[in-house]
Parts: sequence; structure tokens; C-alpha cells
Amino acid sequence: QVQLVESGGGLVKPGGSLRLSCAASGFTFSDHYMTWIRQAPGKGLEWISYISDSGSIKYYADSVKGRFTISRDNAKNSLDLQMNSLRAEDTAIYYCTTVHYGRLDNWGQGTLVTVSS
Amino acid sequence: EIVMTQSPATLSVSPGERATLSCRASQSVSSNLAWYQQRPGQAPRLLIYGASTRATGIPARFSGSGSGTDFTLTISSLQSEDFAVYSCHQYNNWPWTFGQGTKVEIK
Repeated sequence: QVQLVESGGGLVKPGGSLRLSCAASGFTFSDHYMTWIRQAPGKGLEWISYISDSGSIKYYADSVKGRFTISRDNAKNSLDLQMNSLRAEDTAIYYCTTVHYGRLDNWGQGTLVTVSS
Repeated sequence: EIVMTQSPATLSVSPGERATLSCRASQSVSSNLAWYQQRPGQAPRLLIYGASTRATGIPARFSGSGSGTDFTLTISSLQSEDFAVYSCHQYNNWPWTFGQGTKVEIK
């Protein structure tokens, strides 16, 4: 069955960097578009980044544009999110999801990122 | 950016009763609207896409309707496992946006 496992979260100081990874299994990863979604504590869901199946198309929310970079390695069935210049407001659970015609049909369990001094 | 507004913020319902949740878009999103369920401590789960199509494995008591700017998620007879937060999501325009969620709690 489809499995998405995020890793790489943790505590980081403001201005610091972190790299999240999402290991995919149970489906043909290279056929799927992917996204990162985050959820701040007690808040709603926020889409932050999207990548096409080949990696040639990438979109970012304004809140992370210029600071975060999405990438994928189809040979390793892996999706990454490089996060630089982190701010307190980036504190959230980060989920990777598959995308099928816009709907987010499979979600990982999430990884918590805390930005605090 | 399209703003998605859900109402009510909290809905108190007795088990076995019907729940009706609303989601309104600030401009038309056609039928490119999905609903997700999130139980405490869990990741969201896709319930409905295309405004009215149930995702694989979703019970028939969940139904979605609407198009354009006004959408409804109906749970016909609430079961104990349905008490959760429900969020709508438009994928018609970039950036994709979500509603703030409706919490369905036990009355």
C-alpha cells in the first residue's frame, strides 16, 4: 500500500536551516506529482510547495518563496524540502502528499519543525 | 488568492444525527474542491474530491455537493469515529488554499 514517511524535523534557531525528506513506497513515485503541506499548532492546513512528476515544474506559496526549495529523486523514491532562513512562523507539522488531478490523496504522518531560540 | 471560509467553526452533534458543513470560496473554483477529515493526532485523510466524489474506501454516509463558490459536506448519521476536524481545499487556482476547518464534536 502507499506509504509516505517524512523525516528531518526538529528544533532549529531562527535564521537556521533544515532539510526535510519524504520516503515513498507502495506506488510508482515517478508517476506522481507531490506537495508539501504544513499545519501550525492549532491552526489550519497551508499548502507550501508543489513539484511535478519529472521535477521540471515547481510552485511555492508566497510565505516560503525564496527560502524553501522542493526537489525529488525519482531513482530513490524521495521528496525533499530544503528550508533556509527559518522563522518562528514556520513552526508546524510538515506533511508530504501525493497529488492526483489536484486532490491530495495520500498523506504521510508528518514531521514537526520547531523554530525557536 | 482565493479565500476559503468554512462554517460553523464548531458543530455540536449527537451520534446518529446529521451534520452539515459549509465551505464558501471568495471566487469560483468550479468543482475543484476537496474535503479532508483529520482526527486528533492524525494526518488528514481525503474524503471527497471534485466537490462530490467520494474517495476510495469512504463510507456512503459522507456526501459532498456544490459548485462555483458554495459547497456542502454532509454526514448523514454521525458515528463515533466521525468526530474530527473537516477542511475544504480548492485546487482550481494557485496558490491552493484551505478553509480554516470545522470541528465536529459530540453534543
